[in-house]
Amino acid sequence: EVQLLESGGGLVQPGGSLRLSCAASGFTFSTYAMSWVRQAPGKGLEWVSSITGSGGSTYYTDSVKGRFTVSRDNSKNTLYLQLNSPRAEDTAVYYCAKSRSGYTAVFDSWGQGSLVTVSS
Amino acid sequence: DIQMTQSPSTLSASVGDRVTITCRASQNINDWLAWYQQKPGKAPKLLIYKASSLESGVPSRFSGSASGTDFTLTISSLQPDDFATYYCQHYNNYLGTFGPGTKVDIK
Repeated sequence: EVQLLESGGGLVQPGGSLRLSCAASGFTFSTYAMSWVRQAPGKGLEWVSSITGSGGSTYYTDSVKGRFTVSRDNSKNTLYLQLNSPRAEDTAVYYCAKSRSGYTAVFDSWGQGSLVTVSS
Repeated sequence: DIQMTQSPSTLSASVGDRVTITCRASQNINDWLAWYQQKPGKAPKLLIYKASSLESGVPSRFSGSASGTDFTLTISSLQPDDFATYYCQHYNNYLGTFGPGTKVDIK
């Protein structure tokens, strides 16, 4: 059974930094692209970032380019999202998501979500 | 950039109703469209991919179709477990764009 468990969320000041982690199990982690999707309170879903299975290529939505960094450690079956210089509008529940086989940006498994609150 | 719209934003229905949700792309996206269901406080769940392919384990009352840049999610007979918010998503390689969502609530 696929399991994705996020951690690292919490309160962060504007301009600070925070790192989210997503521990994966139940599948061959290194063979799947992984992504982060967020949801601001009471709002819809927003794709944030994706990374290939090898970690060699990364992709970001325009609003986080240059501030967020996605990475992975395939030896630890863990996905990361480094949030640098977060803004109030980055406040959201952040989900990690696994790509469906053959469809890199279709997400067939999701974590439970980790709340990030950006506030002074 | 491709924009995704959904209609209606809210839909009130009863158990047993046939429900149709529409998603429109601002330009041709072929059939690169998925549908997700989300319940309050829970992660989304994949229902449909490639416009009309049913994800494994999803009940057959859910179906998807496409006509040009218009896409439809149909629930043939609404069940109590189906009251939720539904999102369409255009995907292209590693990038994804979600629609604003359609909330299905009890009439």
